[in-house]
Amino acid sequence: DIQMTQSPSTLSASVGDRVTITCRASQSINSHLAWYQQKSGKTPQVLIHRASSLQSGVPSRFSGSESGTEFTLTISSLQPDDFGTYYCQQYDDYPWAFGQGTKVEI
Amino acid sequence: QITLKESGPTLVKPTETLRLTCIFSGFSLSTTGVGVGWIRQPPGKALEWLASIHWGDNGRCNPSLGGRLTITKDTSKNQVVLTMTNMDPVDTATYYCAHRRVALGLDFWGQGVLVTVSS
Repeated sequence: DIQMTQSPSTLSASVGDRVTITCRASQSINSHLAWYQQKSGKTPQVLIHRASSLQSGVPSRFSGSESGTEFTLTISSLQPDDFGTYYCQQYDDYPWAFGQGTKVEI
Repeated sequence: QITLKESGPTLVKPTETLRLTCIFSGFSLSTTGVGVGWIRQPPGKALEWLASIHWGDNGRCNPSLGGRLTITKDTSKNQVVLTMTNMDPVDTATYYCAHRRVALGLDFWGQGVLVTVSS
């Protein structure tokens, strides 16, 4: 099974900061990685598909990148609305797997 | 407009079987490239993928659940059913269904249903 290791588990940042969250896959996943944002008590919302493709309607301050089996979600300038928990997910091979989440505190 | 909604019991007893239905609109599971997944989230914990089914397959389930899961689709009714046997209190979670297209993530989610397992 492919394991997804996400870090950090918690992140405290200020409005305007550049924020990066990392996810490492235990093997190649052919860019089949998505990033989600989940606010407390709400449904997850997809931000990024295929490691770096921005979902329609998602602000351009969100971006995704990859280097081998390491994937990064970057928020270029953190906004108050960006608090919540972020998850990566690989969908290259079964069983699909989510990372353990990164809680972003403003 | 794509919408999904989970339907099923909110309280089940240990050892019982859970049957959840995902009723969707705005897409068809007979369309190439389309799929529906089930994901759950215990209170305060991370997301966990349970099962997925696509236009051209009979579904895949997470083996970590030890064969307790079954996923089926009824294309004519626009429904996907998840069955989980031998429920345990650790299975208490919010259960979500979500839409996807091949090579992309889960882009439309239902509101989720909180299932509590308790005697």
